[in-house]
Amino acid sequence: EAGVVQSPRYKIIEKKQPVAFWCNPISGHNTLYWYLQNLGQGPELLIRYENEEAVDDSQLPKDRFSAERLKGVDSTLKIQPAELGDSAVYLCASSLEYTDTQYFGPGTRLTVL
Amino acid sequence: AQSVTQPDIHITVSEGASLELRCNYSYGATPYLFWYVQSPGQGLQLLLKYFSGDTLVQGIKGFEAEFKRSQSSFNLRKPSVHWSDAAEYFCAVARDRGSTLGRLYFGRGTQLTVWP
Repeated sequence: EAGVVQSPRYKIIEKKQPVAFWCNPISGHNTLYWYLQNLGQGPELLIRYENEEAVDDSQLPKDRFSAERLKGVDSTLKIQPAELGDSAVYLCASSLEYTDTQYFGPGTRLTVL
Repeated sequence: AQSVTQPDIHITVSEGASLELRCNYSYGATPYLFWYVQSPGQGLQLLLKYFSGDTLVQGIKGFEAEFKRSQSSFNLRKPSVHWSDAAEYFCAVARDRGSTLGRLYFGRGTQLTVWP
């Protein structure tokens, strides 16, 4: 069974440019998470989806970050415009509804110059 | 609020030696506890988890962890470390389970180096 797929794996952009990350969760997983992992830190939740609904987005900086999960499957996280401080790894995870284990993708490493 | 402390940023052990990674949490009720491992360029992989019951839990790759309520700890152990265990280890805590498991709170991680 395929795991959580993320693309791109690496992205280098200049500040003020837009960037988007894509995530395909494990088939059948209704819950999808986006995490931000700064260098030397543990992941921090940005947003959680239950199917198409964002049920926890309190940590998402809504002035520049947006996310969507159309049809309750794939998800896209966008930053516009990117700032130097956004350089980090963006992790996507998914889990079955009513279960406990979150499965993580390999992440997208973003570098903002 | 939940918080997780991993007091050791970096640990170095020799191959074949025993290992203990420390984790302390702050939460009023019984938490749900996890250990994840992250290899370079890889996502996080679940090693083990504790929800209830036996306080000594077994995980993959020969790891185990013990929940000690009195010490608010969930330390990870392995009796004999292999070179392939070199990675970063994260302890995490959650308040709820099921569809509302939602937010996992992670520690800052412990980087493990294994000497041959």
